[in-house]
Order: sequence, then C-alpha cells, then structure tokens
Amino acid sequence: EAGVAQSPRYKIIEKRQSVAFWCNPISGHATLYWYQQILGQGPKLLIQFQNNGVVDDSQLPKDRFSAERLKGVDSTLKIQPAKLEDSAVYLCASSLGVNSPSTGHGYTFGSGTRLTVV
Amino acid sequence: AQSVTQPDIHITVSEGASLELRCNYSYGATPYLFWYVQSPGQGLQLLLKYFSGDTLVQGIKGFEAEFKRSQSSFNLRKPSVHWSDAAEYFCAVGATSGTYKYIFGTGTRLKVLA
Repeated sequence: EAGVAQSPRYKIIEKRQSVAFWCNPISGHATLYWYQQILGQGPKLLIQFQNNGVVDDSQLPKDRFSAERLKGVDSTLKIQPAKLEDSAVYLCASSLGVNSPSTGHGYTFGSGTRLTVV
Repeated sequence: AQSVTQPDIHITVSEGASLELRCNYSYGATPYLFWYVQSPGQGLQLLLKYFSGDTLVQGIKGFEAEFKRSQSSFNLRKPSVHWSDAAEYFCAVGATSGTYKYIFGTGTRLKVLA
C-alpha cells in the first residue's frame, strides 16, 4: 500500500511570509495527525483529525497556524505569518482509527516537510 | 496526561556490541507503548509496540523491548548492533482512551563505531 505522502519535502521562507504543507494519508485511514519536530526534540502533536473533524488541537498556535481536512482525506497545514521559531520538520501521520488493541495499529508517518524560516 | 522520558541523549556503541535504550513513562494506567526509529531526513518508522499481554515484545530489525510496570519502563534492546542501526530512536506513550494521542520522548541518538 502507498504510504503517507507529504509535500513539499523542503521549504525556505522569510519570516512573516506564509507557507502551506500538504498531506495525503493512507487510503482508508480515518485519523490524521500533524506533528512539529524541532531539531533535537521529539515530535509534538499539533492537531488530530478524525475524518474531517478536529479532535485535539490543544497545542496548535491558533494565532498563526491553521489546518483543515475538508473532505476527510487529505489535509493542509498553514502558517501565517511564519516566525523564526517555526523552523522544524512537520510530520503528518495517519492511522486506521482508534488505536485500541482490537485494531492493533500504530501511526504511519510521512517523510515530513523541513521548513526553514530565515 | 501522559509523559515520557528518554534519559540518554546520545549513546555510542561498537558494532556487534549489545544495546539498551532507556524509556520511562508516566501515565495513570497501563499505556500503549511504542519505539520508533528515524534516520536522517526520513520519517519515523515503527520498530515495535506494546498494547497488552506478553511484556517482552519483538520488533523489526532484531529489536525487542520489555515492559516493566513496576519501573514504568519500556527499554529497547538489541543483542548485536549493526552500523546501519545508527539513527535516532524515539519512545512514545499512547493514551488508552479519549483521543489516543501519542506523546514522544526527546529521542536518543545512536552512533555505531566500526
């Protein structure tokens, strides 16, 4: 099966510019996640979608970050305006659904988008 | 809310030597536990997971991990390390209710000496 697709792989922008990242999860995966991974740190969850609804966006800086998953399939994460501290790898992941033992699934991650804000 | 600690930021081992990477978690019940590996410029690859049952879990690439409830630990082990194992390793703890979200540790970077 195809994996989680993300684009672009790399992006360099100036501070105060806007940027958007795209993610296409594995077909049939209801749950989609966006993580931010700053250099030297573990991934931090930004937002979690179940189909086209948001189930957790408690760590999303909503003054500058937004995300949508309008049709419950692919998703877009936007930053506007970008700050220097937004430089990170943005990882998208998907899972079949609720990760109960009966499903036995963990997340599948995409390769990420490396953002550099200068 | 759950949390996870990986006490070792960097570990260096010789090729062929054994490896143990430490992971400690905090959660109000038995959580879901995971180990992921990340090579430079790559995404996260699942090595193994613990949901319930046997506390010794086998994963891919010859890795295993043992869940120890009394120590709140889920350490990753490999009996003989290969140069290709050099990467960053992340432990994650997953909630067993609600949104089932994962919290990741800060990672351990493994260097393998030839």
